[in-house]
Amino acid sequence: NAGVTQTPKFRVLKTGQSMTLLCAQDMNHEYMYWYRQDPGMGLRLIHYSVGEGTTAKGEVPDGYNVSRLKKQNFLLGLESAAPSQTSVYFCASSTSSVGGYTFGSGTRLTVV
Amino acid sequence: KNEVEQSPQNLTAQEGEFITINCSYSVGISALHWLQQHPGGGIVSLFMLSSGKKKHGRLIATINIQEKHSSLHITASHPRGSAVYICAVRSNTGSGGGADGLTFGKGTHLIIQP
Repeated sequence: NAGVTQTPKFRVLKTGQSMTLLCAQDMNHEYMYWYRQDPGMGLRLIHYSVGEGTTAKGEVPDGYNVSRLKKQNFLLGLESAAPSQTSVYFCASSTSSVGGYTFGSGTRLTVV
Repeated sequence: KNEVEQSPQNLTAQEGEFITINCSYSVGISALHWLQQHPGGGIVSLFMLSSGKKKHGRLIATINIQEKHSSLHITASHPRGSAVYICAVRSNTGSGGGADGLTFGKGTHLIIQP
């Protein structure tokens, strides 16, 4: 099915562990985004990319790194996980800065 | 401060009722999005608006750019429409030029009872 695929869907990490979340889209979209969703808050932008090889910081980038080596993939890395990073993470893609958005199904991450 | 405010935060309605969810924003925008998030978490885009009104099935979205306000209406509501409805805006100010994503409201939790 065309769209945005996130892996994994669920993960439990211990404090200090590292992991990478993968986002893959098959719609040839230029723009890709990583958001986190926390209870009582709207989604907040972590990092984004406007094209292959480019990344930029969003509203809450601390503790995260990203890479966009291929146009279809946008990776979100946690180098040393902290309990404050317990959240649901959503990837999204868009054709342009004014286009509609397609969201992935989310990754529920718990850091203990 | 939250640049996007939604009301109500929670709403319970009976099947068949006409429902309105409101969204107000404080920044200049190039577009406003209405999204739906079902239990289980996936987010689906419903509408993208920059002016006027759009309709799809039971859903109608309107926007008033001068008043910085949008409404999402649900006609002849059905329990399948129970979800969180999220308003988000793409700002036309700032250095990101709109590329730096959307600013989201906190969502309206809607329950439609049979």
